[in-house]
Amino acid sequence: DIVLSQSPPILPVTPGEPASISCRSSQSLLHSNGYKYLDWYQQKPGQSPQLLIYLGSNRASGVPDRFSGSASDTDYTLKISSVEADDVGLYYCMQGLQTPITFGQGTRLEIK
Amino acid sequence: EIQLLESGGGSVQPGGSLRLSCAASGFPFHSFGMTWVRQSPGKGLEWVAAIAAAAGRTYYADSVKGRFTISRDNSHDTLYLEMSRLRPEDTAVYHCAKVFLRGSTTGAVIWRLDPWGRGTQVIVSS
Repeated sequence: DIVLSQSPPILPVTPGEPASISCRSSQSLLHSNGYKYLDWYQQKPGQSPQLLIYLGSNRASGVPDRFSGSASDTDYTLKISSVEADDVGLYYCMQGLQTPITFGQGTRLEIK
Repeated sequence: EIQLLESGGGSVQPGGSLRLSCAASGFPFHSFGMTWVRQSPGKGLEWVAAIAAAAGRTYYADSVKGRFTISRDNSHDTLYLEMSRLRPEDTAVYHCAKVFLRGSTTGAVIWRLDPWGRGTQVIVSS
């Protein structure tokens, strides 16, 4: 199975400051079709997860442009350019290159 | 608006069975793959199973293979998860999600889980 290692586990951020979450894969997530099968999900307190970024760097519909994803074959980063209070919650990366689908352990973003 | 509404959760003894449903609306259900993902209390996300749009191909996590069956009724826009031989470690909130899915030599390629339903709670305890 593909293992995803997320860091940091907890991320305290001052509003207005940038934030970055890393997700490292145990193997390349690059498909022969050229796409990288890594998504990012946000889970706000008391809610179900929501798609933020798909295929490494594509923002989902309705997601603010403060959120961006970057990718190499095995290293992926979710960046928030300017954190807002509403961004509090858990963030997960997920690989879909092969079944079983696997998720990172999650990063809890907190406001300082 | 796309909506997914899970139901069928509850409390069951170890070894028991449950059938979860996920009613879909707001999109052409028959055109999309679907998946179940669970979340245990205080824990992260664990993928359970997925099914292709035409219902011919199914995929399972090793932890549920042989005990859970994913299926769909495209005429009623409903996804199912039949769970048997339940164990305490199956206790979780079960979410369904619409996905993009394509078969591959390594099982399936799955991406863009969106949206997710609010989930239904399953508790397995004696």
